Amino acid sequence: QSALTQPASVSGSPGQSITISCTGTSSDVGGYNYVSWYQQHPGKAPKLMIYEVSNRPSGVSNRFSGSKSGNTASLTISGLQAEDEADYYCSSYTSSSTDNYVFGTGTKVTVL
Amino acid sequence: EVQLVESGGGLVKPGGSLRLSCAASGFTFSSYSMNWVRQAPGKGLEWVSSISSSSSYIYYADSVKGRFTISRDNAKNSLYLQMNSLRAEDTAVYYCARDPYGSGSFDYWGQGTLVTVSS
Repeated sequence: QSALTQPASVSGSPGQSITISCTGTSSDVGGYNYVSWYQQHPGKAPKLMIYEVSNRPSGVSNRFSGSKSGNTASLTISGLQAEDEADYYCSSYTSSSTDNYVFGTGTKVTVL
Repeated sequence: EVQLVESGGGLVKPGGSLRLSCAASGFTFSSYSMNWVRQAPGKGLEWVSSISSSSSYIYYADSVKGRFTISRDNAKNSLYLQMNSLRAEDTAVYYCARDPYGSGSFDYWGQGTLVTVSS
């Protein structure tokens, strides 16, 4: 099972909005509404930011939003803040192999 | 407060074995599917294995199938990963993670335990 494809890096200035894409296939992202997004700061465990494409867990800022179109899911961070600088990973349920879930390649977000 | 605490990591030679544990507290452990996710040094996240609340459903990544065994003891609020025939490419931080929705969305993670496979 190949990892979902994400851009290696995305950057933006404070206050701007950025979008991270996550491209898969009809066997994962496109076929199920089971896409999640995680934020990971250096040396820390990942934190769930979005689940089931567009749902925010309690306590996650509403500056984070998720969507999906076809085989590509997206995470948008609006009003970018310095604390948003981190690595971001998408994940999806997959039916393409015996693997249950697949993660994305990861995106480094830099706040300029 | 939900807490997941992994233990059991360390240095092991290629071909060796290791058993990881994850102690859960602050929630009804027996009601949740649990997972192991790993991260090689400087690399991305990789899903390893999942187990349903009653152990009825167990899944593995192709990369570990036949070598790793996931299990749980609901009476002890604990999750385990028995790792055999370890390879250099299994070197990673191993996280246990809770899946509250059964959809692969992991809402709580442990701090991770480092497994290093090297001669």
